[in-house]
Amino acid sequence: EDKVVQSPLSLVVHEGDTVTLNCSYEVTNFRSLLWYKQEKKAPTFLFMLTSSGIEKKSGRLSSILDKKELFSILNITATQTGDSAIYLCAVPGAGSYQLTFGKGTKLSVIP
Amino acid sequence: DVKVTQSSRYLVKRTGEKVFLECVQDMDHENMFWYRQDPGLGLRLIYFSYDVKMKEKGDIPEGYSVSREKKERFSLILESASTNQTSMYLCAAAKWAATNEKLFFGSGTQLSVL
Repeated sequence: EDKVVQSPLSLVVHEGDTVTLNCSYEVTNFRSLLWYKQEKKAPTFLFMLTSSGIEKKSGRLSSILDKKELFSILNITATQTGDSAIYLCAVPGAGSYQLTFGKGTKLSVIP
Repeated sequence: DVKVTQSSRYLVKRTGEKVFLECVQDMDHENMFWYRQDPGLGLRLIYFSYDVKMKEKGDIPEGYSVSREKKERFSLILESASTNQTSMYLCAAAKWAATNEKLFFGSGTQLSVL
């Protein structure tokens, strides 16, 4: 059974801090790992990673994948209150259309 | 980007009622999904559909059914709503390919069953 574990489950930081969110996975026939941000309702896509060691960046957010150790991290530098959200990690199952999601990390950024 | 629209943001129903949650996507994607999201449990897949009239059970299909009569529309049906089906329901669409498994989500329907 595919498994995605995110840590921590929740995190409170001050504006300007740097945070690292973790995602470990177990899946047969790995193809990709995806990160989503969920602020109010709809999760919105952040990154898709398929290769180890290649960092994806978008502004203050970056993510990297380690296929040998089966994990990914999402970094957010110089956090802002607008970064407050639930961050979800997901992997597609082997040969299926399903994404298996982790339980998410709830990030709260306080002024 | 794909736009996925769910017909209701908030819905309150009584136990035993038949409930329809509607979802429409505007980008001709083959695959559509229904998830529910509960605190501490994350997103769990209820059903998905990879083509018109085709459906597959997800991880928690009990108490639900689905309908996909047209490519753009995917409906979730609660035949007889129960209080344990109070949840946030999220619809998603995807054009599945080996290197592009990105889901586009609707804004969700918060369903309360009293």
